[in-house]
Amino acid sequence: ILNVEQSPQSLHVQEGDSTNFTCSFPSSNFYALHWYRWETAKSPEALFVMTLNGDEKKKGRISATLNTKEGYSYLYIKGSQPEDSATYLCAFNSGSARQLTFGSGTQLTVLP
Amino acid sequence: GAVVSQHPSWVICKSGTSVKIECRSLDFQATTMFWYRQFPKQSLMLMATSNEGSKATYEQGVEKDKFLINHASLTLSTLTVTSAHPEDSSFYICSARGSGRNYEQYFGPGTRLTVT
Repeated sequence: ILNVEQSPQSLHVQEGDSTNFTCSFPSSNFYALHWYRWETAKSPEALFVMTLNGDEKKKGRISATLNTKEGYSYLYIKGSQPEDSATYLCAFNSGSARQLTFGSGTQLTVLP
Repeated sequence: GAVVSQHPSWVICKSGTSVKIECRSLDFQATTMFWYRQFPKQSLMLMATSNEGSKATYEQGVEKDKFLINHASLTLSTLTVTSAHPEDSSFYICSARGSGRNYEQYFGPGTRLTVT
């Protein structure tokens, strides 16, 4: 059974603060690591797919890093805005598996 | 692009009845679709993987006779919860992947099922 863990479970920050969360996954047999943003009543939205150790991806104020050797990824949000409030999910592909194993998410609330 | 719709968004049914949930890829052909279930405060748990024109592959512990999956076309997969019981109440969400997209899955908005 693959174990994907995210921390913290929830987070409240003030508008303008920068924040980051962690996703840890098995370091063996790595294939890809995905980050999704999931707003209430909407579809999870793909943010990043990361495949190589040392990968860094950026989209606007959001960026992510990947360390496959130690089995973790960080998601950073710079200058958080209320519209960033959502649950951020990470998901792991192992080997050649096409299935994703999800963490339970980090629920971010940005207070105006 | 890569939009997936899911219908209905919520449904309430009586115990013993069956409920069908549809998942459609609107602007791409989905060779593979996935069905997940989420209990409160828990991760999305994969129930089954379906490839167009083939029988679905179910994860361990998921009853294939209870959760019937049909993926008859490249844009539509359905999940039917048969003889629903209150313990089937959950959030069900589908995702779809096209033939050229080895990594990415695109999700529908989910269906909240309540069985009374």
